[in-house]
Amino acid sequence: EIVMTQSPATLSVSPGGRATLSCRASQSVSTYLAWYQQQPGQAPRLLIYDASTRATGIPDRFSGSGSGTEFSLTISSLQSEDFAIYYCQQYNDWPPWTFGQGTKVEIK
Amino acid sequence: EVQLVESGGGLVQPGGSLRLSCAASGFTFSAYSMSWVRQAPGKGLEWVSYIRSSGTTIYYADSVKGRFTISRDDAKNSLFLQMNSLRDEDTAVYYCARAWRPYDCWGQGTLVTVSS
Repeated sequence: EIVMTQSPATLSVSPGGRATLSCRASQSVSTYLAWYQQQPGQAPRLLIYDASTRATGIPDRFSGSGSGTEFSLTISSLQSEDFAIYYCQQYNDWPPWTFGQGTKVEIK
Repeated sequence: EVQLVESGGGLVQPGGSLRLSCAASGFTFSAYSMSWVRQAPGKGLEWVSYIRSSGTTIYYADSVKGRFTISRDDAKNSLFLQMNSLRDEDTAVYYCARAWRPYDCWGQGTLVTVSS
């Protein structure tokens, strides 16, 4: 089973600031990596798939990069609605599909 | 509009059973593989089960294997999860998700609470 590790657990950023979240896989997942955003009390929403492709309707302030075992999600100018929990997920080697433990982006 | 709506959650005693449903609309349900993903209170996301579009390939997480059964009814655009021998640690919000890129659409979830 591929283990996904996200860092940091919590990231404090000012509105309008830049956030960079990291995700590491225990073995290579090529570019089969997705990012999700989850607001409190809501379902996850797909942001990025194939490591760097934005899902439909996702604003371009969200960008993903990386391959192999190291990935990052960058939010270039944080809006109020961006303060949430973000999860990475690998889909290179399944089952199981595995998620990271999440990074909470909070207001500084 | 693509939509997934779960139902069937509730309070059940340890050892009990529950059947979750997920009603799909806005897309050709039969063409898509589907999954169930759960989230324990205050915790992260855990994949539970997957069923291919054809229904011929099914996978389960080790934590639910032998206790849960996934199925689908393409004529009714519905996905199901039969949960037997429920344990305290099965308490979670259960989401159905369309298995495309890799999970591009999620339902709002249904809460399952296992407690005596």
